[in-house]
Amino acid sequence: DVKVTQSSRYLVKRTGEKVFLECVQDMDHENMFWYRQDPGLGLRLIYFSYDVKMKEKGDIPEGYSVSREKKERFSLILESASTNQTSMYLCASSPGLDGYGYTFGSGTRLTVV
Amino acid sequence: GIQVEQSPPDLILQEGANSTLRCNFSDSVNNLQWFHQNPWGQLINLFYIPSGTKQNGRLSATTVATERYSLLYISSSQTTDSGVYFCAVERTGNTPLVFGKGTRLSVIA
Repeated sequence: DVKVTQSSRYLVKRTGEKVFLECVQDMDHENMFWYRQDPGLGLRLIYFSYDVKMKEKGDIPEGYSVSREKKERFSLILESASTNQTSMYLCASSPGLDGYGYTFGSGTRLTVV
Repeated sequence: GIQVEQSPPDLILQEGANSTLRCNFSDSVNNLQWFHQNPWGQLINLFYIPSGTKQNGRLSATTVATERYSLLYISSSQTTDSGVYFCAVERTGNTPLVFGKGTRLSVIA
């Protein structure tokens, strides 16, 4: 089975800190995604990547950046964490082929205080 | 962009009951997936179903692409079925999934 691993299950950070959320997949998938999930708002796309060193903005990229230096790893960076970035962050990967869907990691629940 | 609407937003069932969750989408899609999010937050892929019908145990799904909706059926519900069910669609090949807001299911013993 495809495995998508997010480095932390829970994180607590202070306002203004630089925060790195790491995501690694082990099935050579081309595509990787970062979503955030908030009550009543569902999942919203932050950034995605279809290839190494490639990145595209999603629906809510403000306050975030990403890095994809290797195919298997997609990092989400909060340059200066703010309390409104307290959320559940979910990473996903997909092969980008018809018939194959997304696989999600277990999520990182980030609290910014 | 494409709109995805799920109904009902909340559902409470007695154990053993059956249920139908609905997902309407506003445009033709290349991909449609149903996910279950368990109480710990993990999203589990249930079905990849851009059209047709699939079954997996007590769960089945049907997508009628020409009428732009999909249905998820849960039969003989169990308490472990509790959680949030999401429908997500991909508008064209290789564009990111767009999620509905989910249906929160609570199955009580």
